[in-house]
Amino acid sequence: GAGVSQSPRYKVTKRGQDVALRCDPISGHVSLYWYRQALGQGPEFLTYFNYEAQQDKSGLPNDRFSAERPEGSISTLTIQRTEQRDSAMYRCASSLVGGRSTDTQYFGPGTRLTVL
Amino acid sequence: AQSVTQPDIHITVSEGASLELRCNYSYGATPYLFWYVQSPGQGLQLLLKYFSGDTLVQGIKGFEAEFKRSQSSFNLRKPSVHWSDAAEYFCAVGTPNTGNQFYFGTGTSLTVIP
Repeated sequence: GAGVSQSPRYKVTKRGQDVALRCDPISGHVSLYWYRQALGQGPEFLTYFNYEAQQDKSGLPNDRFSAERPEGSISTLTIQRTEQRDSAMYRCASSLVGGRSTDTQYFGPGTRLTVL
Repeated sequence: AQSVTQPDIHITVSEGASLELRCNYSYGATPYLFWYVQSPGQGLQLLLKYFSGDTLVQGIKGFEAEFKRSQSSFNLRKPSVHWSDAAEYFCAVGTPNTGNQFYFGTGTSLTVIP
């Protein structure tokens, strides 16, 4: 079956603009995660959903970042008033059950965000 | 706090040679340990994972990893590397205390020369 998909794959924006990044998890997966990966670094946890409920948003760096998953499937990560330091690869992952560190997370290809 | 260290930023091996990628973690108890591989333009793919039990774990693509509590390590190995193994490799840690959160290392980039 289809894996995790993300769109757009590449996004170039100007400083101060808002961007919305989309994640479509594997069908039937309960949990959805957002990570940010800076160049030369490993993925860094941002937030996590169980169905439509945002269970953990401790990794969101500031209030310009928000995420939603209104119907428990597709999720959107929104960055308002983008800054150059927001430039990174944004990765989405999903897991069948979730909420446990033992669950395998399946990753999408990521969205490369560049803020000019 | 939990942390993961991958000491080698970049490794080059000849095709057919053996491979070992190092991973060290910091956590007071036994963590859940994972190795992921990232190929260009692709998402991270799980190679193997360790939760408990046998400390030698077999994964996909001929990879294995060994958990050594005394050394706080979870090194990834492969007896004979193929050119298609060239990629970025990430070690990750999850713990019961952090629930769904994974902590990733900074990655090791593998180059395979013919």
